[in-house]
Amino acid sequence: AQKITQTQPGMFVQEKEAVTLDCTYDTSDQSYGLFWYKQPSSGEMIFLIYQGSYDEQNATEGRYSLNFQKARKSANLVISASQLGDSAMYFCAMRRLEYGNKLVFGAGTILRVKS
Amino acid sequence: EAQVTQNPRYLITVTGKKLTVTCSQNMNHEYMSWYRQDPGLGLRQIYYSMNVEVTDKGDVPEGYKVSRKEKRNFPLILESPSPNQTSLYFCASSMGGPVKGYTFGSGTRLTVV
Repeated sequence: AQKITQTQPGMFVQEKEAVTLDCTYDTSDQSYGLFWYKQPSSGEMIFLIYQGSYDEQNATEGRYSLNFQKARKSANLVISASQLGDSAMYFCAMRRLEYGNKLVFGAGTILRVKS
Repeated sequence: EAQVTQNPRYLITVTGKKLTVTCSQNMNHEYMSWYRQDPGLGLRQIYYSMNVEVTDKGDVPEGYKVSRKEKRNFPLILESPSPNQTSLYFCASSMGGPVKGYTFGSGTRLTVV
């Protein structure tokens, strides 16, 4: 079964510090994509970063980086220099080419940044 | 502006009263999906469509219907809503193939009393 596991229901981080949000996945697909989305309290889904299963380099987008360890099936999100505006729910997701390019989501991690 | 437009944003309704949540995209995307978000469960796929007149069930299709008569529109229909369908709903679209880009609507918060 294709599954995404986010083991941290909630986390706190001090402003300006780095934080790592964990994500492990289970898939039998050879080709897949991994995503992180941010959902602020307003509810919209904001794309943060993408990692393809064949990409050899870890993805980076500004303050976001994805620590991709394929053998361990993990795709952790690292946020550097946390800001108060980073407080939100974060979802890890995996793309499946079948089922209409379905995204399989984890349960999410709530991040709170403290000043 | 490239976008997925969902309406309404908020809806409170009573059990059994049929409702439709509309979804429209202006990017000529082939693939469209509906998801529901519930606490502790993340987002789960309800239905999806790979093109006009091609729809299929996702993980949690019970109690929902969809149609895809035009490429841009993918409405979600609740024929007889029940309280367990109280949720946050998202429509999303993408091109076919191994894409990086998914576009989500703003979400519809539905409460069934």
